[in-house]
Amino acid sequence: RKEVEQDPGPFNVPEGATVAFNCTYSNSASQSFFWYRQDCRKEPKLLMSVYSSGNEDGRFTAQLNRASQYISLLIRDSKLSDSATYLCVVIWNTGGFKTIFGAGTRLFVKA
Amino acid sequence: NAGVTQTPKFRVLKTGQSMTLLCAQDMNHEYMYWYRQDPGMGLRLIHYSVGEGTTAKGEVPDGYNVSRLKKQNFLLGLESAAPSQTSVYFCASGTSSGRYAETQYFGPGTRLLVL
Repeated sequence: RKEVEQDPGPFNVPEGATVAFNCTYSNSASQSFFWYRQDCRKEPKLLMSVYSSGNEDGRFTAQLNRASQYISLLIRDSKLSDSATYLCVVIWNTGGFKTIFGAGTRLFVKA
Repeated sequence: NAGVTQTPKFRVLKTGQSMTLLCAQDMNHEYMYWYRQDPGMGLRLIHYSVGEGTTAKGEVPDGYNVSRLKKQNFLLGLESAAPSQTSVYFCASGTSSGRYAETQYFGPGTRLLVL
């Protein structure tokens, strides 16, 4: 089983749609969680951190479910510019930080 | 601020050749990382450094060496390149607040093709 797993997609949605991605992780001692966005042939960029209480940034909402060991990202009112690959990142500290990236979920938003 | 920069942007090597990839950051970050990204596999950590003069192995360190002689620079070396090392290499830097790792900032990447 992979330490961090994401549905690779692609997700094809129309503009204005709501879309949700999940990411599961295997290490219950995981401490830090993030969502990054990566455009084609570009570097990953931080989208948002994920907190136990959940957090929202405009049209984006991130949730953490420690009991079921997954994080989620919800995008409301999708825009064409949201088309990208979304990477989840899980970090745990076992005497040194271990950072695991998911393989990413591709999103295409269509007009 | 330039953030994180990487040189070169693209390189073609023949099997057995050596090269060094340079990463520089101007954000005074303690932590620096080298990743490789291959299709369908996400980013995998090669080596990382938690401060000047220190390095540690990541998930896929074989065939690579690193050095962190200055806080702002993190070098990745390939002593004898192999076709399996064809990939996109990303450098990142970041901070830590005690037990928790914080955001990583990535460079634009180096595309390496080994023939």
